[in-house]
Amino acid sequence: GAGVSQSPSNKVTEKGKDVELRCDPISGHTALYWYRQSLGQGLEFLIYFQGNSAPDKSGLPSDRFSAERTGGSVSTLTIQRTQQEDSAVYLCASSLEGAGGLHNEQFFGPGTRLTVL
Amino acid sequence: AQKITQTQPGMFVQEKEAVTLDCTYDTSDPSYGLFWYKQPSSGEMIFLIYQGSYDQQNATEGRYSLNFQKARKSANLVISASQLGDSAMYFCAMREVNTDKLIFGTGTRLQVFP
Repeated sequence: GAGVSQSPSNKVTEKGKDVELRCDPISGHTALYWYRQSLGQGLEFLIYFQGNSAPDKSGLPSDRFSAERTGGSVSTLTIQRTQQEDSAVYLCASSLEGAGGLHNEQFFGPGTRLTVL
Repeated sequence: AQKITQTQPGMFVQEKEAVTLDCTYDTSDPSYGLFWYKQPSSGEMIFLIYQGSYDQQNATEGRYSLNFQKARKSANLVISASQLGDSAMYFCAMREVNTDKLIFGTGTRLQVFP
């Protein structure tokens, strides 16, 4: 039983470049979440998927950020024209279902540490 | 408005002692869930314990218990018999009904010393 996996584990990029971060949720989990954790901070919600649709994109900080999910499984978070303030750990989580189940535990991946030079 | 407040940036506790990590929250929704996660230096987020707003009893999971005081809007985590492996960041989080995201506090770094 594999957990949530993310790749790459580390990504160093130059300012202005685009990056793609990948998340593989736990098999059978319909809900998928992206969070961002800046150094010394708590987690900041970015976007939520239920299946392939994203009913809540309220946390995306700018239009440079986008995400998609295909086949109700793998998700990709894309950051275009990266800026230094985008440097953070990007965490993905999945759960069996989304809204309506308060107790639905979110299982987190190990994160991708993004450094923008 | 900040919805989850963790006022202790750092805490120290001696091995085998109990420690309480504070968490207060703010919501106008009568239905919500409260979570505690542990984040060791490896970076993974580990779920510890859950408390629902309508739960009559305080949640317990092994050495973890949640001191839920609804009127005061507090959900403190109590770790009994601390172990060296408990050294980590601890985050309190809240989920309101019909929303999907977790709102996290800024965390408390716990250090357990021998």
